[in-house]
Formats: sequence, C-alpha cells, structure tokens
Amino acid sequence: AQRVTQPEKLLSVFKGAPVELKCNYSYSGSPELFWYVQYSRQRLQLLLRHISRESIKGFTADLNKGETSFHLKKPFAQEEDSAMYYCALTTGGFKTIFGAGTRLFVKA
Amino acid sequence: ETGVTQTPRHLVMGMTNKKSLKCEQHLGHNAMYWYKQSAKKPLELMFVYSLEERVENNSVPSRFSPECPNSSHLFLHLHTLQPEDSALYLCASSQDLGRGNTGELFFGEGSRLTVL
Repeated sequence: AQRVTQPEKLLSVFKGAPVELKCNYSYSGSPELFWYVQYSRQRLQLLLRHISRESIKGFTADLNKGETSFHLKKPFAQEEDSAMYYCALTTGGFKTIFGAGTRLFVKA
Repeated sequence: ETGVTQTPRHLVMGMTNKKSLKCEQHLGHNAMYWYKQSAKKPLELMFVYSLEERVENNSVPSRFSPECPNSSHLFLHLHTLQPEDSALYLCASSQDLGRGNTGELFFGEGSRLTVL
C-alpha cells in the first residue's frame, strides 16, 4: 500500500541549530515527492519537490530510494521556520498522499 | 481574486441539513481536488476532477456529492452528515502536465465544517 510516514508529530529546536524532519514512504513504483508547509494563519503551500533538487529558504531534501526516505534538512533553523510540515507522495495520475505532518517549533 | 478561494470559511449544520461548499480557482488549472483534514489525521483525498471529469473517488460516502461544472469551479454538496464528518475541507487545484505529472497543488484556505 502507498503510505507516507512522518514519525515526529512535534520537533522543537533552538534557533541556529540544525533541523531534520523525517519522511519515509512506501511505494513500489517511481515516486514523486514533495514537502509542503503551512505557516500560522496561512494556507498549505509547496516548499520543495525532489525533482527540482533545489534549496528553498535554506531547506533541502534528498530522495533516498534505498531507504525510501525524503528527509527535510536545514543547517541553521530560524524562528520564521516554525510551521507545520507535510511530506507528500504523488504516485502518478492525480493521487497525492500526505503524511500526518510534523510541527516544527524553533525557539529563540 | 487570485489563487484558490473557498466559501464559506466556516459552516455549522445539523445532521438533516443540506449545504454546499464552493471552490473557485483563478490559476487556469485543469484539475481540482477535495481533501478532508481531520484532527490528528493526515489529509485524505476525497475527489479529483480533471477537465471536469471525475478521475478519483476515494471511497467517500454518498452523503458527500461533488460537482464540477467547469474547470474553475468545484462544489461539495453535503446532506445528512454525521458529527464525525466535522473537519476542515480543503480544495486544491493543479495543472495536469500530462504523463501522470500533476505538478504542484495549490490549496485554498479551507472550509471548517461542524456537524451538530
């Protein structure tokens, strides 16, 4: 079955510390993976996708097919990074499956 | 208006009522989605329309009835709902890029539904 797992519901780090939000997926085909973010009082929006191999707001994510992971990383967290982060998997067609989300809290 | 707009933002209804949620997108996309977001659960895909045809129906109870009159508008008609249907209903749109590539999802702010 297709599944996205985000094991941490809440992640709390200090400003300037590295942060890693974990995401594991289950899919037998060729996945397309995304990270979406929801800041306070804002709508859910795309942060980055694995195909682009880009860094957005200092965040990067590498697809590891061997470990079926797509962890989101940032070397130095900022207070404005505090938000809800969702890992998502598109399995082809129009089906995008989301993980349960991880709330990141960056403390001053 | 730009982006994806949902109305109403909040809705309270009794179990015997009939109401509708509306979604409008101004992005020129050709695919629209309904997702359900319940507390402590992942977003659940409910329905997908591409070029006004339903292409995905995720075993949603018949008390939820979608309608897509054109590629810019999507409705979710609600009748005889249950209290457990209380949730945030999110509309999204995307551009079908062909070959199964739907690209980025653009979300509305959601309609918060409470069923009494």
